[in-house]
Amino acid sequence: EIVLTQSPDFQSVTPKEKVTITCRASQNVGSSLHWYQQKPDQSPKLLIKYAYQSISGVPSRFSGSGSGTDFTLTVNSLEAEDAATYYCHQSSSLPVTFGQGTRLEIK
Amino acid sequence: QVQLVQSGIEVKKPGSSVKVSCKASGGISSTYAINWVRQAPGQGLEWMGRIIPILDVANYAQRFQGRVTITADKSTSTAYMELSSLRSEDTAIYYCATDQGGSYSAYFDFWGQGTLVTVSS
Repeated sequence: EIVLTQSPDFQSVTPKEKVTITCRASQNVGSSLHWYQQKPDQSPKLLIKYAYQSISGVPSRFSGSGSGTDFTLTVNSLEAEDAATYYCHQSSSLPVTFGQGTRLEIK
Repeated sequence: QVQLVQSGIEVKKPGSSVKVSCKASGGISSTYAINWVRQAPGQGLEWMGRIIPILDVANYAQRFQGRVTITADKSTSTAYMELSSLRSEDTAIYYCATDQGGSYSAYFDFWGQGTLVTVSS
């Protein structure tokens, strides 16, 4: 099973700040790494697919990069509505797995 | 737009079983898969298994093998997840989510609203 480790677990940030969340895979997942945003009492929402590909309707301040074992989700110019928990997810091999999540708090 | 609508809240006794449904509608491809993901209170996301309805092929996470059964009714575009021998640790929100990967898993593009299952004596 591929283990995904995110860092940090928690980050408190101010609006307009730039945030970077990393996801490290225990094995090479190629580009089969995706990012989700989950707000309290809501279902997860797809933000980025295949490491860097944008999703229709997702604000352009969200971007992804990386391949192999190291990946990054970047949020440029953070807004209050971005307060949420973010998860990475690998679909390279079954069982698919998720990172433990990174909670972003907006000050 | 694809919509996934799940069945309602369940309260179960330890040792019993629960069956949650997920009905898909909208412009879904024929090779879609339905995944089941659960989230215990205050915890992260945990994949349980997936089914490709058109092939009626299911895969399960090892830790749930033998306890979970995922099925699909193509005629109604509805998938089901049945979990048996329930224990308190199975208390969680259970989500269904689609991926369009066919035989290969892919990103989860649409999610159901979640079904809360509470296991308590």
